[in-house]
Amino acid sequence: NAGVTQTPKFQVLKTGQSMTLQCAQDMNHEYMSWYRQDPGMGLRLIHYSVGAGITDQGEVPNGYNVSRSTTEDFPLRLLSAAPSQTSVYFCASLEANTGELFFGEGSRLTVL
Amino acid sequence: AQSVSQHNHHVILSEAASLELGCNYSYGGTVNLFWYVQYPGQHLQLLLKYFSGDPLVKGIKGFEAEFIKSKFSFNLRKPSVQWSDTAEYFCAVNKGSGNTGKLIFGQGTTLQVKP
Repeated sequence: NAGVTQTPKFQVLKTGQSMTLQCAQDMNHEYMSWYRQDPGMGLRLIHYSVGAGITDQGEVPNGYNVSRSTTEDFPLRLLSAAPSQTSVYFCASLEANTGELFFGEGSRLTVL
Repeated sequence: AQSVSQHNHHVILSEAASLELGCNYSYGGTVNLFWYVQYPGQHLQLLLKYFSGDPLVKGIKGFEAEFIKSKFSFNLRKPSVQWSDTAEYFCAVNKGSGNTGKLIFGQGTTLQVKP
């Protein structure tokens, strides 16, 4: 099993550009989420989804959009990138029986 | 504000030293508690978790943690660290009794183990 796969691993954007971070999982997990990791602040929840067609906001949703058209995929969209969105982004999916979150390897985004 | 606090931001130990990393949370009611580890260049992995029952939980690689409800704490311990334990450690809390996956993370503690 590949687990949780994120692409791209690295990306540099200019202010105002848009992009999509891709996330896919092959474990048939209903719950998926996006976190951002910043130095000294741990991981903060951006958006999450409890199943296909259902999404909701986390702690820091501003500037990000998500959709969940399939169980496998949960892309994160930045419509107009800002330097404050420079961060490392992690996608995760939940194994409901054990309560364990499985994380992707992260996507490092720099906004100039 | 409700939060998860890790007291130690950067810990440096020699091999074979004992480790204790502090974690406190400020939520009342039922919580599920987790410790995750991020080895250099790798993604986060679950070390251990507490949902209910015995407040002393054992995880992988010799780690354990104790849930003390009266102190709102879930400290991570290991009797003897190894160089391979060098990593960043995150405490996390899930409010409520269900597995929602909506974890609130602490700031993280960087552990450096000197050989």
